[in-house]
Amino acid sequence: QSVLTQPPSVSAAPGQKVTISCSGSGSNIGNNYVSWYQKLPGAGPKLLIHDDIHRPSGIPARFSGSKSGTSASLGITGLQTGDEAEYYCGTWDISLGTVVFGGGTKLTVL
Amino acid sequence: EVQLLESGGALVQPGGSLRLSCVASGFSLSSYAMSWVCLTPGKGLEWVSGISASGDNTDYGDSVEGRFTISRDSSWNTLYLQMNSLRTEDTAVYFCAKGPGKDIRTTYFDYLGQGTLVTVSS
Repeated sequence: QSVLTQPPSVSAAPGQKVTISCSGSGSNIGNNYVSWYQKLPGAGPKLLIHDDIHRPSGIPARFSGSKSGTSASLGITGLQTGDEAEYYCGTWDISLGTVVFGGGTKLTVL
Repeated sequence: EVQLLESGGALVQPGGSLRLSCVASGFSLSSYAMSWVCLTPGKGLEWVSGISASGDNTDYGDSVEGRFTISRDSSWNTLYLQMNSLRTEDTAVYFCAKGPGKDIRTTYFDYLGQGTLVTVSS
């Protein structure tokens, strides 16, 4: 059971927009920045968003992050078949004293 | 360009040992905190262990405390994870992960490797 809660799966058509949620508590999301990762088959996780909203160099603007209270969201616009992957949220948990992640959300581009 | 290349994963029996390696290039391990993170189907990502940039501080997840040891060799710019007393529940893909700063405490990892598969089974 993961500390952060994500929906197991989401789906949308090519060109559409999708939002993936990540729910936590005051000991993690409520008091720390959130990050998001993309995990393609056969590859390692790739950082998409850090510090709630910031995209590393090379990450397209189609990917965006937001946060409110103890929940965060990853938005992907202009969906492409290449976006099919598992997406994970992460942050630091003050009570546990460790990095924590969500259980992952599988995105299907129909 | 930052690159992380893990190796050492294998099939091992319960109670056995394994040492994972992660060769880093494009940066110095002495300048950044590093961690090991694992991915298990159905459980998602889990932080396993971390070492500070100075090497003075190490930390472990509750499930591996006392069984796993993280270390590094600065001359080879290589990170290690010594895994002892392996259990079936340790079966996972293990990734080495670079932190953005010197402290193990971080909210993100800016680079992760491709991973190495550890299977613990009789």
